[in-house]
Amino acid sequence: NAGVTQTPKFRVLKTGQSMTLLCAQDMNHEYMYWYRQDPGMGLRLIHYSVGEGTTAKGEVPDGYNVSRLKKQNFLLGLESAAPSQTSVYFCASRGGRFYNEQFFGPGTRLTVL
Amino acid sequence: ILNVEQSPQSLHVQEGDSTNFTCSFPSSNFYALHWYRWETAKSPEALFVMTLNGDEKKKGRISATLNTKEGYSYLYIKGSQPEDSATYLCALFPKADSWGKFQFGAGTQVVVTP
Repeated sequence: NAGVTQTPKFRVLKTGQSMTLLCAQDMNHEYMYWYRQDPGMGLRLIHYSVGEGTTAKGEVPDGYNVSRLKKQNFLLGLESAAPSQTSVYFCASRGGRFYNEQFFGPGTRLTVL
Repeated sequence: ILNVEQSPQSLHVQEGDSTNFTCSFPSSNFYALHWYRWETAKSPEALFVMTLNGDEKKKGRISATLNTKEGYSYLYIKGSQPEDSATYLCALFPKADSWGKFQFGAGTQVVVTP
């Protein structure tokens, strides 16, 4: 089992460019999450999904869009990147019970110039 | 939103010493409290999931307790080792949110020096 994988691992963008981050999990998990991690801010939830075809906004959704067309994949899109979106992005997934832990991907380090 | 506070923000421990730190919350209106360990340049990994008042969990030298009546969970590290250096995150799964959002604390950064 690969667990949770993220593509790419690193990316540098110029302001205004767009990109998509891919998260894939092979554990048949219902729930998937996108977080960003900034110094001194801990983990902040961007968007999440409770099942295939569903998405919902988290704490800091502005400037991002997501899609969950397949249960195993959760895509995070930046339509017009801004320097404020420079961050480390983590994807996570978990099963459907409240006691199920989250499994995190290795992270994507994004720099927007 | 359940505000999750962790204290202290950081602490330095000598190798071999024991330490503990706190996750506090204003209400017991949650299904579960999770502890995660997050090492530098890695991704968070789950340590414990606690659901009931009085829960005690242990993994090696690390243990945790949950007191929902007084609004805190403690995480203990016995005989700290350099490999225990990490940020420890606490997260709640609130009952008010059936959609599965977790509320994370900001973490306690632990540095163990030889």
